[in-house]
Amino acid sequence: DGGITQSPKYLFRKEGQNVTLSCEQNLNHDAMYWYRQDPGQGLRLIYYSQIVNDFQKGDIAEGYSVSREKKESFPLTVTSAQKNPTAFYLCASSIVGGQVGTDTQYFGPGTRLTVL
Amino acid sequence: DAKTTQPPSMDCAEGRAANLPCNHSTISGNEYVYWYRQIHSQGPQYIIHGLKNNETNEMASLIITEDRKSSTLILPHATLRDTAVYYCIGPDSNYQLIWGAGTKLIIKP
Repeated sequence: DGGITQSPKYLFRKEGQNVTLSCEQNLNHDAMYWYRQDPGQGLRLIYYSQIVNDFQKGDIAEGYSVSREKKESFPLTVTSAQKNPTAFYLCASSIVGGQVGTDTQYFGPGTRLTVL
Repeated sequence: DAKTTQPPSMDCAEGRAANLPCNHSTISGNEYVYWYRQIHSQGPQYIIHGLKNNETNEMASLIITEDRKSSTLILPHATLRDTAVYYCIGPDSNYQLIWGAGTKLIIKP
């Protein structure tokens, strides 16, 4: 089956620890995205990558880091510098990023991170 | 940037058409309007998008006003599984999508 996988579904970490969220896609999409969602709110863009070995900051990149070494993978690290990391994290991909009208995004199931 | 405004919640009877409005008065001439929906605790699902003309697919229809300042998503025969938060979205200057809080649609039996 083609799609986007995120693991794990639920993640618990102690305050002050870095944690890495996995995102893999087998859709052969060039662009990948990470969003954060807080209860009752819409999605906010953390980072996006339009091509391998390149990525750009979104609206709320502080306290997060990413890498894009392979087309299929776009892991997100939530660092200890992120002041309020507890949230629902969503990964998405699209065929080609940055082109209006062709940028339909397909989402993974999400990872719910709780920092204790 | 194409900022959008949607009602926070709506109800619809099962089997009836659900009409979800969206205002996007700041949208530019070449910016598309996208609709996604999110069922509780899942990833958003793409529904439809459009520029000027009305669009229809297997999930829904999108009606865009001639001045492009508003649009309506129509689910022709709503079912209980259509209960979700529906997002009307436009792009920012970097072609990334701007997500608001959406409309919580509740389908009632």
